[in-house]
Amino acid sequence: AQKVTQAQTEISVVEKEDVTLDCVYETRDTTYYLFWYKQPPSGELVFLIRRNSFDEQNEISGRYSWNFQKSTSSFNFTITASQVVDSAVYFCALSAGDTTSGTYKYIFGTGTRLKVLA
Amino acid sequence: GAVVSQHPSRVICKSGTSVKIECRSLDFQATTMFWYRQFPKQSLMLMATSNEGSKATYEQGVEKDKFLINHASLTLSTLTVTSAHPEDSSFYICSARVGGTEAFFGQGTRLTVV
Repeated sequence: AQKVTQAQTEISVVEKEDVTLDCVYETRDTTYYLFWYKQPPSGELVFLIRRNSFDEQNEISGRYSWNFQKSTSSFNFTITASQVVDSAVYFCALSAGDTTSGTYKYIFGTGTRLKVLA
Repeated sequence: GAVVSQHPSRVICKSGTSVKIECRSLDFQATTMFWYRQFPKQSLMLMATSNEGSKATYEQGVEKDKFLINHASLTLSTLTVTSAHPEDSSFYICSARVGGTEAFFGQGTRLTVV
């Protein structure tokens, strides 16, 4: 079975604090892809990062960083020095092969609502 | 990145009527398109997968006679909600993929059935 778990339903932080959003995934595929998306109130999904299962290098992009650890099946996302504009729902997603159809499907976690208070 | 355009962004319709949502890949040909539904404060749930020129594959629990999906060309897929009812009110998002595993998402359509 393929599954993405985002245990944190909602997080509130004060501006300038660092915050880490957790993501744990399950898949039996050896080749898979992990994503993070931001969904502001407008609803549009904003792509943040894509990681394939063979690349465990952590990545930093400005205030954003990602920690991919296959040993714990986790792909956590950290925002440094958070800002009010970071307030949104963040989704972690897994793309892996579906054994029934052979199609790669996206499986989304339940999302973490981040509120950054001024 | 590739652009996927979804139209309309918002629609209000009367109960019992049908509404069509379009999903277009603007700068690439999409071999596969996906339709998702998102209820307030919930995650995106895959409704169906469609490949150009063939029938859509619906996820378990999704009524294919109610949610008609047509993928007539490599750049256009449509979702028609037939005989809409208030419980169909939701946010619908499409995504399109060309080979590989990365999909590009449309802006979403907020459907309100009154």
